[in-house]
Amino acid sequence: GQQVMQIPQYQHVQEGEDFTTYCNSSTTLSNIQWYKQRPGGHPVFLIQLVKSGEVKKQKRLTFQFGEAKKNSSLHITATQTTDVGTYFCAGRRSGGYQKVTFGIGTKLQVIP
Amino acid sequence: DVKVTQSSRYLVKRTGEKVFLECVQDMDHENMFWYRQDPGLGLRLIYFSYDVKMKEKGDIPEGYSVSREKKERFSLILESASTNQTSMYLCASTVLAYRDRYSNQPQHFGDGTRLSIL
Repeated sequence: GQQVMQIPQYQHVQEGEDFTTYCNSSTTLSNIQWYKQRPGGHPVFLIQLVKSGEVKKQKRLTFQFGEAKKNSSLHITATQTTDVGTYFCAGRRSGGYQKVTFGIGTKLQVIP
Repeated sequence: DVKVTQSSRYLVKRTGEKVFLECVQDMDHENMFWYRQDPGLGLRLIYFSYDVKMKEKGDIPEGYSVSREKKERFSLILESASTNQTSMYLCASTVLAYRDRYSNQPQHFGDGTRLSIL
C-alpha cells in the first residue's frame, strides 16, 4: 500500500536556527497536508498543497510540494519555542479520496 | 469552530474486556475516522465512516469494530481488549467534499483517549 516516509523523526535546534522536515511517498500524491501536534494536544491542520511545485508560506513556515508530487517539505525559519511539537505530513491515498496516509511525524524540540 | 469530543481522556481496562470509545462531532460532518497513535509509528487509520451505518476498514482493523448509528457519533469497539491495544486513540471528522480530483478537506481531531490495557 501507499507509504509516506518522513524524516527526521526527531530534531533539536537552538532557538533562532532553521528547521526542515521532509516527506517522501512511494507513489504520486493527489495532494499533501501538514499538521502540527503540540505536546499533550491533538493534530491541527496547517495547510494543503495540491499543485506540482507549489510553494506556500505562513509567516515563518514555508511548505513545498515537489514537481513529481512525490515529496514535500516544511521549513521553519528562525525557530521559536512556540514551534515545539510534532509535525506530520499526510498524503491522499489512492482508492480512497477522503482518506490520507500520515507520515510518522517529526518531533521538534527548540532549546531556548 | 468544529468541536470533536472524545468521551474519555484516560481509560484503564483489563485484558479480555469489551471496550467502547465514543466520539461526537458538532459540525454535521459526513466523514469520521478512528486512528491510533504510537511512538515511531505515527497515526494509523483503524476505521473510517462516510455516512450513517457505512464503514470502511483502514490499515489496522483487526481486533476492532465500529458503529455509526447517528451522523454525529462514531464509536470504536475493542471486542476483547489485549495489551497490544494500549495506545492513544484519536477520532477525527471532515466534511464531505465533492469528489474533488485533487483536494481533501482538513481533518478535525478530538483530544484523544489514552487507553491502557492491563
